[in-house]
Amino acid sequence: QVQLVQSGAEVRKPGSSVKVSCKASGGTFRGYAISWVRQAPGQGLEWMGGIIPVFGTSNNAQKFQGRITLTAEVSTSTAYMELSSLRSDDTAVYYCARNQGSNWVYYFDLWGQGTLVTVSS
Amino acid sequence: SYVLTQPPSVSAAPGRTATITCEGHNIGDKSVHWYQQKAGQAPTLVIYLDTDRPSGIPERFSGSNSGNTATLTITSVEAGDEAAYYCQVWDTSDHPGWVFGGGTKVTVL
Repeated sequence: QVQLVQSGAEVRKPGSSVKVSCKASGGTFRGYAISWVRQAPGQGLEWMGGIIPVFGTSNNAQKFQGRITLTAEVSTSTAYMELSSLRSDDTAVYYCARNQGSNWVYYFDLWGQGTLVTVSS
Repeated sequence: SYVLTQPPSVSAAPGRTATITCEGHNIGDKSVHWYQQKAGQAPTLVIYLDTDRPSGIPERFSGSNSGNTATLTITSVEAGDEAAYYCQVWDTSDHPGWVFGGGTKVTVL
């Protein structure tokens, strides 16, 4: 059974960057896209962007343009989300999610466990 | 950008029906997906493409979508259904992307 396993919690200072990983354990990324969604404390879900690992093409939400970089390694079935110029309001749980198809326009059929990123001076 | 509006909270007694709405302009022309998020956990898919249930999701969960409102219905509510529920659509406007509703907390009385 495929699981998405994310890296552990991070603490960063304002202005710095963070890179979160998401590994498909027991399976592969082939045939799927991977999206990233965040959830601020006590708030709802917010889509950040998606990547098609086999092609390396990505699509980012306008809100994060210029600050987000999505990458993936097909050989290790690992996707990465890097967010730069961190602010306190970037404090959130960051989730990766598998799109049920080879593009980010498909719904999410599998989620990672989440990674808490805390931005604090 | 496209906006999805959900009621913040819905409550239902065990065995009764909980109805969660998701309003958006001509949402009936889009495909709606629903996610359940229990406290401290990652979301899970409960309804996709308006009405379909993933394997393992009880028949008590059903969805519909027409006009300006999509609906998630949970019949014979159980204590384990207590969670936040989010609707989701793909927005094809100027800046295409996924849009989520604000979420509805279902409380089982």
